[in-house]
Amino acid sequence: SQTIHQWPATLVQPVGSPLSLECTVEGTSNPNLYWYRQAAGRGLQLLFYSVGIGQISSEVPQNLSASRPQDRQFILSSKKLLLSDSGFYLCATRGATNEKLFFGSGTQLSVL
Amino acid sequence: DQQVKQNSPSLSVQEGRISILNCDYTNSMFDYFLWYKKYPAEGPTFLISISSIKDKNEDGRFTVFLNKSAKHLSLHIVPSQPGDSAVYFCAMDFGNEKLTFGTGTRLTIIP
Repeated sequence: SQTIHQWPATLVQPVGSPLSLECTVEGTSNPNLYWYRQAAGRGLQLLFYSVGIGQISSEVPQNLSASRPQDRQFILSSKKLLLSDSGFYLCATRGATNEKLFFGSGTQLSVL
Repeated sequence: DQQVKQNSPSLSVQEGRISILNCDYTNSMFDYFLWYKKYPAEGPTFLISISSIKDKNEDGRFTVFLNKSAKHLSLHIVPSQPGDSAVYFCAMDFGNEKLTFGTGTRLTIIP
């Protein structure tokens, strides 16, 4: 079965600072990978998804970017954080049957 | 444009009674429907799903109902237990590699 590693669990960053969140997946090859965000009082919003190395699709215009340097590694980045980037960030991958999403444990980002 | 709506942000239910969570959608292309459960500071976990060719799927205390004509999905939990207290998200897919989630309903089970 697949395992998703996501870190750090909690992060407090000042406005204008850079961001790098990393996600790695074990137990599967060539997975579809996703970054979701849950902002306070809102649902889960898809930010980026990737179907392969170097292939990134952005769902919403934003201050963030994503990269996939290796098959099972997905990175969420920002050059300069905004207050509105605060939220709970979740990495996810599709299951073997390609129907369910499996989520990592998430990163709570607070931009102050 | 919110394609998937959970109109009740919160719900409180007495332990042992039935919890009913609802979800409405607008996109008739959705053909697979899921419910996820989320505890604070954790990632969501899959709970139960149903495909568009069915109108009911049952797994233990959890039953999902799909009314395609009304574009309405519901989750029934019976009997409700304290450990069911969490945020519940409905999610939908039409085979385009992405899930669209609702805004979530916070369920509180009262002992």
